[in-house]
Amino acid sequence: AQSVTQLDSHVSVSEGTPVLLRCNYSSSYSPSLFWYVQHPNKGLQLLLKYTSAATLVKGINGFEAEFKKSETSFHLTKPSAHMSDAAEYFCVVRPGTGNTGKLIFGQGTTLQVKP
Amino acid sequence: EAQVTQNPRYLITVTGKKLTVTCSQNMNHEYMSWYRQDPGLGLRQIYYSMNVEVTDKGDVPEGYKVSRKEKRNFPLILESPSPNQTSLYFCASRPGLSNYGYTFGSGTRLTVV
Repeated sequence: AQSVTQLDSHVSVSEGTPVLLRCNYSSSYSPSLFWYVQHPNKGLQLLLKYTSAATLVKGINGFEAEFKKSETSFHLTKPSAHMSDAAEYFCVVRPGTGNTGKLIFGQGTTLQVKP
Repeated sequence: EAQVTQNPRYLITVTGKKLTVTCSQNMNHEYMSWYRQDPGLGLRQIYYSMNVEVTDKGDVPEGYKVSRKEKRNFPLILESPSPNQTSLYFCASRPGLSNYGYTFGSGTRLTVV
């Protein structure tokens, strides 16, 4: 069965320090992996995606993620946090089998950025 | 501007009163889907559609209906809403090619009393 586990429900960093949001996935076949961000009272915005090309994926707003098949991980990082990064982040997997288009969401990680 | 538009943004209704949440996309996307977001449960798929007149159940379809008569529209219908359908709902769409991420609407916050 496919699943996504975000290892931290809440992460707090100071402005200007690195961000690490952890995600592990379980998928029987080659999945596509995504990170989405949700700002308060807003919809979900795609940050970046992995679709079996380069394992280091660069996204918007300085975020990047590395796909590590051996560790079944897809952690999201940013070298220097900005106040505007405070939001909820979702790691998402789309299983490689079938063509249903279904997305499986992690529980979300709330990122707090302190001044 | 390429977008997914949901209406209404906020809705309070009473148990048993039929309602429809509309979703429209202007990107000519084949795939559309509905999700509900609940605290501690993340987002769960309700229904999805691979193209016009092709729909199928997601993980939590009970109490919901959908239709896809036109490519751009994918309304979510609650025939007899109940309080356990109080939630934040998102519509999403993507092109037919499987490597694309979804574009999400801004959400509809539904309260059933």
